[in-house]
Amino acid sequence: QQQVRQSPQSLTVWEGETAILNCSYENSAFDYFPWYQQFPGEGPALLISILSVSDKKEDGRFTIFFNKREKKLSLHIADSQPGDSATYFCAASWYNQGKLIFGQGTKLSIKP
Amino acid sequence: GPKVLQIPSHQIIDMGQMVTLNCDPVSNHLYFYWYKQILGQQMEFLVNFYNGKVMEKSKLFKDQFSVERPDGSYFTLKIQPTALEDSAVYFCASSGTGGSDTQYFGPGTRLLVL
Repeated sequence: QQQVRQSPQSLTVWEGETAILNCSYENSAFDYFPWYQQFPGEGPALLISILSVSDKKEDGRFTIFFNKREKKLSLHIADSQPGDSATYFCAASWYNQGKLIFGQGTKLSIKP
Repeated sequence: GPKVLQIPSHQIIDMGQMVTLNCDPVSNHLYFYWYKQILGQQMEFLVNFYNGKVMEKSKLFKDQFSVERPDGSYFTLKIQPTALEDSAVYFCASSGTGGSDTQYFGPGTRLLVL
């Protein structure tokens, strides 16, 4: 009951479009959901996160939409830029636990 | 932002040998983690460490694995002896506090066991 799933595996959008990355989870005890961005050869870096008490979190061009009832969340990247091309990982955790449960990642490509 | 360093970046060893992966966490961070990522698969939690002790370990953290941070230096993951299935990228992370505090990841050590 600890799985985190992401879709699609890969996504290509045109520069300026909104990219939508999806994530779902099974364990209703999860209450912290960070999204990490990873470039080739580097470690993942925190992009934005949300707690389960919220249904939306915005940070510039990045927005998380969270649906607790359906155990789903999505990351929207508005006005996509070529520099956003990376792999994005959705993760989940319990608030008082440190360990992160990661999804398989979505590889995002932005076409100029 | 804060940097976590990992040494070496790549390591190739023969099955059965010992390997030590080193992590230089963000200074003044107190919580340390190791994650394992097999090529093409998701990153999986191995272990977390605080105040000189293992707090939690997953089923992937076999008896051949050990972690320590002697005298506040590198946080290390030792595998002895190594097995073919240990080939993966190992990521170290650190955070100031536990819970939902941001975990900062290193660039990973790519381990190949032959």
